[in-house]
Amino acid sequence: TQLLEQSPQFLSIQEGENLTVYCNSSSVFSSLQWYRQEPGEGPVLLVTVVTGGEVKKLKRLTFQFGDARKDSSLHITAAQPGDTGLYLCAAAWGNNRLAFGKGNQVVVIP
Amino acid sequence: NAGVMQNPRHLVRRRGQEARLRCSPMKGHSHVYWYRQLPEEGLKFMVYLQKENIIDESGMPKERFSAEFPKEGPSILRIQQVVRGDSAAYFCASSPSVGTGAWGTEAFFGQGTRLTVV
Repeated sequence: TQLLEQSPQFLSIQEGENLTVYCNSSSVFSSLQWYRQEPGEGPVLLVTVVTGGEVKKLKRLTFQFGDARKDSSLHITAAQPGDTGLYLCAAAWGNNRLAFGKGNQVVVIP
Repeated sequence: NAGVMQNPRHLVRRRGQEARLRCSPMKGHSHVYWYRQLPEEGLKFMVYLQKENIIDESGMPKERFSAEFPKEGPSILRIQQVVRGDSAAYFCASSPSVGTGAWGTEAFFGQGTRLTVV
């Protein structure tokens, strides 16, 4: 079973549109991270959310941690082609391991 | 400041050969993690090492796989007698220290080694 479920798996939108992707779990986490991975590259950390209900902004990206610290969302405003990539959520568990979701593949069409 | 360096970027091995993947963590980082990424499966934890110690190898297959992080030199992930199912992207990550009870410290990933077994 997957600890973190990400939805939708694949999303294609036009440049300028907004989008939201989700990361859900039945477990409670002390923190949750979002990464972006481009083809042929490693994941790059975007943000870490720690407090239930926390909202963090990174330019046009808005990250929210659920009040119960079981889920998170990523909202992109006015998406641009450069936002294309695989967005991964990850949570620490056990002995400093990271558990990853399968990712949200986002494609922004110019 | 160089990031996490992995080499080779691409590695092709015939079934039965050995694969050695190298990872040099970021300067000042003493914690190294290896992950494997298979299509449709996402990133899976394999092993967590500190200098000269394996801290957690719960994600490592029981046979053929081993990892080390010597006092000097890079961390090595070694796969003996490779099979086609070992074909995947292998990523190394490093962090400077352990977070307080959770992953409180940022971890940085390398670009990965793409292993193809033919």
